[in-house]
This record gives sequence, structure tokens and C-alpha cells, in this order.
Amino acid sequence: DAKTTQPTSMDCAEGRAANLPCNHSTISGNEYVYWYRQIHSQGPQYIIHGLKNNETNEMASLIITEDRKSSTLILPHATLRDTAVYYCIVRELNSGNTPLVFGKGTRLSVIA
Amino acid sequence: DTGVSQDPRHKITKRGQNVTFRCDPISEHNRLYWYRQTLGQGPEFLTYFQNEAQLEKSRLLSDRFSAERPKGSFSTLEIQRTEQGDSAMYLCASSLGGNSDTQYFGPGTRLTVL
Repeated sequence: DAKTTQPTSMDCAEGRAANLPCNHSTISGNEYVYWYRQIHSQGPQYIIHGLKNNETNEMASLIITEDRKSSTLILPHATLRDTAVYYCIVRELNSGNTPLVFGKGTRLSVIA
Repeated sequence: DTGVSQDPRHKITKRGQNVTFRCDPISEHNRLYWYRQTLGQGPEFLTYFQNEAQLEKSRLLSDRFSAERPKGSFSTLEIQRTEQGDSAMYLCASSLGGNSDTQYFGPGTRLTVL
């Protein structure tokens, strides 16, 4: 079973920041937080991952709370093409054979 | 485009027929994963290869399913005697390994069993 809890759906106005929350209260010290998204009828797309520090790349920022029990994915300027299902996943470090365990994710709708 | 390719993209078959899907991972990636996704659900893990060795299988992988990665490069997933419940998107992912082992997914093969 997925070790994360996410809202089922969210809306965001185009051009505004989209903030997607994720709860992972049972995360252990050696588990990373990964974010993927899946645009309709495509394979999941890797976005970002982190262990305990905040991370930023060209797609998004990942903010992890100090106690690591929750995180937020931030899309700074959402566009219509960011409409997708966003999955938050926790995965153990140093165990490369561990599969990703997906929940149902958050369906983000970016509205013009 | 992640560099992971899958073929075919769509497959329609009749119940009881056998089907085979192919996945070509990113060339230097030694790990390859198969997942299955049904409508409204997130992807579910099926099996995993490290080079040519199949190291893990999910309980979802019934005896009718077999996967191979003969030379540690491309992989095939075969479903024998297909059932309507096998209708799903079959996803392949590959990774380089290492501490964070990010998996990159292909576009998937959508199977419809009539």
C-alpha cells in the first residue's frame, strides 16, 4: 500500500503557483520523497525527489517539512500543460530494486 | 520523450490469445521494471530486472505472465491465454541504479482484451 496521502483533486488558475501537498507521516529516515506526474494516456513523468533538504529543478520545487512527515510540490507558474495526475511516493534509499508504490495521486486541473 | 520506448502502443486481442510487448530501456540503464495500470488507479509493480536477471515478481504476476530480458537490454512481457481482466496499460521503466535510482517511464502499451 502507498505510504502517502494526497488530496484527490485540486484546481489552479493558469499562471499562478500550484501547491500540491502530500502527507507521509510514517516515513523512515532512509526514504526519499519522489514526485511523478502522469498526463492523460502517457507514462508517468519524473519531476523531482528529495531526502530532507528542499530541492528545486527546472520543473518544480519540493519543500519537505523539518520532521519529514509532509511535503509540498510547487509548480511556480502553472500552465494548461501541467494538467495531470501528480503522484507523491516514498521510497527507501540504497535499495535500488524497490519498486515505486503509487497511490491514486492528486488530479490537478489548470484553468485558463 | 524519456528515451524508454515500448511497442506496440496499442493492442486489441480476443480473449484466450497470447500477446507480447516489448520495452527498450535507456541504453546505459541496467534496471528495468514492468508496471500495470488500470483505469483510475496508479501504476502497480509487476516485475523487475537487474541486467538479465529477474529479481522480483509481484503477486499480481500470475502464471500466465512471463517476462524476459535475455541480453540485459530490451525486455519482453508475454501474457498467455488473455482474459478481459488483463485489459490495462502496461508500463515499462528503466533506471541507472545508485542511491536515488530514479525510474524513467516509457509511453506504455494499452491492451484491450475483447
